[in-house]
Order: sequence, then structure tokens, then C-alpha cells
Amino acid sequence: GENVEQHPSTLSVQEGDSAVIKCTYSDSASNYFPWYKQELGKRPQLIIDIRSNVGEKKDQRIAVTLNKTAKHFSLHITETQPEDSAVYFCAAQDAAGNKLTFGGGTRVLVKP
Amino acid sequence: NAGVMQNPRHLVRRRGQEARLRCSPMKGHSHVYWYRQLPEEGLKFMVYLQKENIIDESGMPKERFSAEFPKEGPSILRIQQVVRGDSAAYFCASSPRAGGGEQYFGPGTRLTVT
Repeated sequence: GENVEQHPSTLSVQEGDSAVIKCTYSDSASNYFPWYKQELGKRPQLIIDIRSNVGEKKDQRIAVTLNKTAKHFSLHITETQPEDSAVYFCAAQDAAGNKLTFGGGTRVLVKP
Repeated sequence: NAGVMQNPRHLVRRRGQEARLRCSPMKGHSHVYWYRQLPEEGLKFMVYLQKENIIDESGMPKERFSAEFPKEGPSILRIQQVVRGDSAAYFCASSPRAGGGEQYFGPGTRLTVT
């Protein structure tokens, strides 16, 4: 089955700096890659996603890149703000669209 | 447009009791997914259901766990004879279409087994 690895597990950045989180996946048939933000005790919130026919997608301060050949994708957050502090999860969806396989999460702390 | 609803938000059960978790998908969504999140860990897929059908239950433990999504009413995740290791947050997500794409999560049910 699919295996998703996520790094780093924790990331501390100064307000205004950029944050980058990287994920790799194992199943080359996976074709949809969402990113979720989860604040303490809250639900995972979909913040951006990318499909396998696209290499990059941007939405204001966040962007995601996908390298299908290498089977890795990354989340980039620019001009970080304290409210960006949360746990971020990457995920890969199987070709049938039945389930998401999540990475282990990255705890991001933005220091003011 | 109401989001995914789950209840109860918190559930405490003694070992050996049954736990019933409910999930109402977003309006217009007929695909429901259940995930489990242990403390300080990521989410693990359990089961995918459409109305009256279990599509993929590859993540469900073989015993004590069952799920349904009846024609009318919410999806139910049922855990019989709970054990301490069942303590976790259980999230459901819904999607408007088959074949993959966005999944929107509910607020979760935090199950504590004492």
C-alpha cells in the first residue's frame, strides 16, 4: 500500500521567514495530494491541493510543488505569521480515490 | 451550507462498553470516510462508505469495529467492547464525488476509554 513520509517533524521559523515541508510517497499511481492544517484540538482543514497533472499551484502565501518522477511534493509558506503555527499534514490519495494516506505531520511554530 | 457534523464531540466509555460515533456529511455529499488519530500522530484511514455500501474497509480492525451509512440518517462507526487502546480522535470526512478529490473533515469525536 501507499506510504507517505513527511519531514521535518518540527519546524521553528521567525515571523516573516519562509517555511518548507517535504513529503515523499511510494505509489506512483497516486494522483491527488492535499495539504491539511490542524490546530490543537481542531479538525484538519484543507489549505491547498495539487493533482498529478500539475507541477505547481499557488494560493496567496502558500504554494505546493509536485515532482511525479521523484515522487515527492512540498508545501511552501512565505511571509509566515504567528497564526500559521499549527500541525501540517500532507497526504496522497490512491488511484481509486478511496482513501487518503497521511504523512506523520510537521509541527510549525512561528516565533513573533 | 453546514459543514460535516459529528457527535458526540467527546465520549467517555468504560472498558467493555460500546461506543457509537455519528457523522453527517456536508449537504450534497454522499461519500463518507472515517479516520482515526492517535495522540501526537497522523490520521489513519479506516473505512470508506457510500449510501448503503461499504466501498473500502481495508483500514478497519478485523474485530469489534463496524461502520454503516444507511439510506437515511448519519453514518455510524461502532466500536464494541472498547479497550484502552481505542482511545483516540475519530474524524469523518465527506466528499461530493467518487473517484477522488477533496475531503472535508468534521470536528471529530474524542473517545476516552477508562
